[in-house]
Parts: sequence; C-alpha cells; structure tokens
Amino acid sequence: DQQVKQNSPSLSVQEGRISILNCDYTNSMFDYFLWYKKYPAEGPTFLISISSIKDKNEDGRFTVFLNKSAKHLSLHIVPSQPGDSAVYFCAAKDDKIIFGKGTRLHILP
Amino acid sequence: DAGVIQSPRHEVTEMGQEVTLRCKPISGHNSLFWYRQTMMRGLELLIYFNNNVPIDDSGMPEDRFSAKMPNASFSTLKIQPSEPRDSAVYFCASGFWGGGELFFGEGSRLTVL
Repeated sequence: DQQVKQNSPSLSVQEGRISILNCDYTNSMFDYFLWYKKYPAEGPTFLISISSIKDKNEDGRFTVFLNKSAKHLSLHIVPSQPGDSAVYFCAAKDDKIIFGKGTRLHILP
Repeated sequence: DAGVIQSPRHEVTEMGQEVTLRCKPISGHNSLFWYRQTMMRGLELLIYFNNNVPIDDSGMPEDRFSAKMPNASFSTLKIQPSEPRDSAVYFCASGFWGGGELFFGEGSRLTVL
C-alpha cells in the first residue's frame, strides 16, 4: 500500500512556463517532506524540503507547498528551463524516508 | 568530498548466481538506506541502518535478500540465489539519523538473465 503517491507518471511543460508536480500521502505521522531530482544513470539528488509545521518553502525557482489537511504537497518550478527535464521524486519522512514512484518532467523548447 | 560510493556500477549475472552489491557511505553519516528502483514500483525502501544496526528490513522482498553493515564505512546487499525479477537499479544512500536529507550513490544496475 503506497504511502506516498505521485499520480502523474509524466508531465510536459513549455520552457519559461510554470511546472507543477503533485504528491499525495496517507500517513499523518510524516513530519518532513522532500523533493529529489534524478537524471538518467545518476542517483537522486536533493532539491528542496519542507517541515510539516510550514506550508511553504521557497528556494530560487523552486517552491514547495504543503496542505496538511489534504495530505498534499506540490513542487512549483518557475520559470521552467531545459535542464529541469528529469524525474522528480516526492518523499516523506517519519523514522524512515519513503519515496513516490516519480514524475518524469519534459521541458519543451 | 567523496560522495556515497557504490560498486559495481553494472552487474550482469545468470539466474541462480549470488550477487553482492557494495556501498561506502559518506564519512560521518550514521544512517544508511538501501533502495531499489523499478519502473513498476519506483524507489522502494529495502532496509535501513542506524549506527550500523539494522532498524527495519520489512522492505526486503524475500529471504533471498540480506544486508549487512559490519562497520560505519561499509555495507553490502546480497541476493542469493538471484532471479530475473531482481533486475533493477539498487541505490545506497546515507545521512544523519533524524535529519531529512539523504545523499545517494550512483546506483548499481543489476541484470539477471
């Protein structure tokens, strides 16, 4: 039973526009949420995180929003750039870190 | 600074053979995680250690899988005997216990024929 769900396997966005990646979770004990980015033949790399006591965290072009009542978080990338094309994993932490299946983002020229 | 180091990067073996994957975590990190990536299941947690002690191995798919961490700088994931359905990319990651961020190795791509 998946505790962290990314329901969109892929997403295509025009360069310069906003990319929005979504993630849902089921375990209310998660206290920290993370987004990782993965290029082919490489390991995932940390992108941005948010504590469960916050509802927004921003780092440059990347913003993560957390809606605890809906058990939903999203990653916004604006403006989207060609180098943002990758697989994005949502992850949630209690005593361990559980990942979703990932969303493949394609930035179109 | 050296990151998490995994070996081998690629392994091709025949069904029934023993496979050993190795991981050297980042020095100073006290937690280590093994994940498996497949198209169907994404990044699946197999087992994790805190201070070299296995904490939760409930993600290990079968008794054919075992993992050890004899010291703070080395861990192994062993599959014996291997089966074609074990084909996947296996990632090792390390971090600080209770912290959020994990640092991943480049992965070991296993193909079982």
